[in-house]
Amino acid sequence: ETGVTQSPTHLIKTRGQQVTLRCSSQSGHNTVSWYQQALGQGPQFIFQYYREEENGRGNFPPRFSGLQFPNYSSELNVNALELDDSALYLCASREGGKEPYNEQFFGPGTRLTVL
Amino acid sequence: AQRVTQPEKLLSVFKGAPVELKCNYSYSGSPELFWYVQYSRQRLQLLLRHISRESIKGFTADLNKGETSFHLKKPFAQEEDSAMYYCALRDKAAGNKLTFGGGTRVLVKP
Repeated sequence: ETGVTQSPTHLIKTRGQQVTLRCSSQSGHNTVSWYQQALGQGPQFIFQYYREEENGRGNFPPRFSGLQFPNYSSELNVNALELDDSALYLCASREGGKEPYNEQFFGPGTRLTVL
Repeated sequence: AQRVTQPEKLLSVFKGAPVELKCNYSYSGSPELFWYVQYSRQRLQLLLRHISRESIKGFTADLNKGETSFHLKKPFAQEEDSAMYYCALRDKAAGNKLTFGGGTRVLVKP
């Protein structure tokens, strides 16, 4: 069983550009959540996908968008990058859709730097 | 809106001393709280959750609804406890999103 993987590990972009980050969920997990972690802060929830549908969103503008594929892997897309988008982006997966709430497993993150 | 506050950015204790990490929350419904830990060069991982009412690696945390707190405690800190600790709240009404606190860095000195 493999854990959550993310690619790329590091990324440098300039303001105004677009970026796509990728996440492979852990085997058997149908729910993927994305978080933004700025330096010195806790992770902030961006959105969540359950069985290819977005079913929860945090306080992030529409230029943050995502996808989940039939194999439950996911992408996070950010358009019109701003300097404040520089952060560690975390992906987490779990088996959703039932109670009790199952543990989320986090990936190692993608470090995005916007210049 | 839900909120999680960890008032201490850094806690420095000597090995063998007790350690307590504070976590306060605000949430209108029935809360479900977690503690996550991140060791150096490792990924974020679940330490414990209040509904399990178990001790993990010697750590315990009790949910106090009256004080809206979920403090993490360990009676005798070990050097391997040095890490970043995050308190998190599950929002059942919003797709089970987790709201995290700002984190507390624990440094256990020999």
